[in-house]
Amino acid sequence: LAKTTQPISMDSYEGQEVNITCSHNNIATNDYITWYQQFPSQGPRFIIQGYKTKVTNEVASLFIPADRKSSTLSLPRVSLSDTAVYYCLVGSTFTGFQKLVFGTGTRLLVSP
Amino acid sequence: GAGVSQSPSNKVTEKGKDVELRCDPISGHTALYWYRQSLGQGLEFLIYFQGNSAPDKSGLPSDRFSAERTGGSVSTLTIQRTQQEDSAVYLCASNLRGGDYGYTFGSGTRLTVV
Repeated sequence: LAKTTQPISMDSYEGQEVNITCSHNNIATNDYITWYQQFPSQGPRFIIQGYKTKVTNEVASLFIPADRKSSTLSLPRVSLSDTAVYYCLVGSTFTGFQKLVFGTGTRLLVSP
Repeated sequence: GAGVSQSPSNKVTEKGKDVELRCDPISGHTALYWYRQSLGQGLEFLIYFQGNSAPDKSGLPSDRFSAERTGGSVSTLTIQRTQQEDSAVYLCASNLRGGDYGYTFGSGTRLTVV
């Protein structure tokens, strides 16, 4: 399973764009990159998933360079409610089930 | 149901007692996972069920832990002779066919062993 590395914490202010980068140097050909958000006392919530280039949904954008050894989650114009822990994961079901490994994530604090 | 439901939401038990934690996955989701999250830590994989296949139990920390899934739907995680180090939030998640889709997690059961 590919290991991921991401910053332990980040600080931002309301209205700013936040970019959280994740390194996954050993990503396999069949691996997807998935990001989750977790609020206190809740289970993680799926945000976005991608394989290459750029993926955008109503919540975030995910940028993946050609070598796929890293990815960047972009949160536009964050609000206080975006304060949470963000997890980057890589994995694939191509060779079996997707036993995702959650690291300690990035703790994002958004201030007024 | 609309989401993954877990019960109880909180459980306080005495050391040495057995506990059962329940998970109701989203209807139609054939893949079900149990994770454990200690305070301030990431999620630790415990066990995975996929349809009628034999479960992957590779993450269970000891033989005091077991899980079953009846009728391909509801799952129960049982911890026997609980220890204080078992205190954590136990999270259940499901997704469709274990495929490359996002997991949907429940809100978890907070287990405190005193």
